Amino acid sequence: EVQLVDSGGGLVQPGGSLRLSCAASGFPFSSYWMSWVRQAPGKGLEWVAHIKKDGSEKDYVDSVKGRFTISRDNAKKSLYLQMNSLRAEDTAVYYCARDSYRVQRAARPDYDYWGQGTLVTVSS
Amino acid sequence: QSVLTQPPSASGTPGQRVTISCSGSSSNIGSNYVYWYQQLPGTAPKLLIYWNDQRPSGVPDRFSGSKSGTSASLAISGLRSEDEADYYCASWDDSLSGPVFGGGTSLTVL
Repeated sequence: EVQLVDSGGGLVQPGGSLRLSCAASGFPFSSYWMSWVRQAPGKGLEWVAHIKKDGSEKDYVDSVKGRFTISRDNAKKSLYLQMNSLRAEDTAVYYCARDSYRVQRAARPDYDYWGQGTLVTVSS
Repeated sequence: QSVLTQPPSASGTPGQRVTISCSGSSSNIGSNYVYWYQQLPGTAPKLLIYWNDQRPSGVPDRFSGSKSGTSASLAISGLRSEDEADYYCASWDDSLSGPVFGGGTSLTVL
């Protein structure tokens, strides 16, 4: 059974840092692109970042470029999101998601499995 | 202000057919696939429709998607109480070089 378990969220002050993790199981992790998607309280979904199977390609939404870093450890079957210089507007539930086998550059967002989400609150 | 525009709410009675619209532009829906996600209260989103009109295995055929020009629609026939959820359309945007979502439509089953 495919499982994605998100962790690492919490309360952090503006300007602070946080590292999110997503533990994957039940599928060949190194064979899939992976993504982070967030949802601010009471708001819609927003793509944050994605990473290629081997980690060689990464991309980010403009609002987090230079502040967030997506990475993966295929040996540990884990996905990460390092978040620095956090702002109040980064407050959201962050979900890791598996890009389906169908995915191609512009054939997105095609997420077939999602984690349960982890809440990040940026506040003083 | 989402890139894709959806009505904030929709409603229907059990057994009815409802349609949710999604409007975009030539840089997203007009030139790329459309996807639809269902988010039940307090849960993660679930893929309902991919490649405009394809259903993943396990999704009932009561759900159907269509696309025409720069707009897309999700239709739900034989509405059930368990369909009460938020629905999001999504696509790739060539100008932004990334995936974009609609603001979501909250469906109420009366």
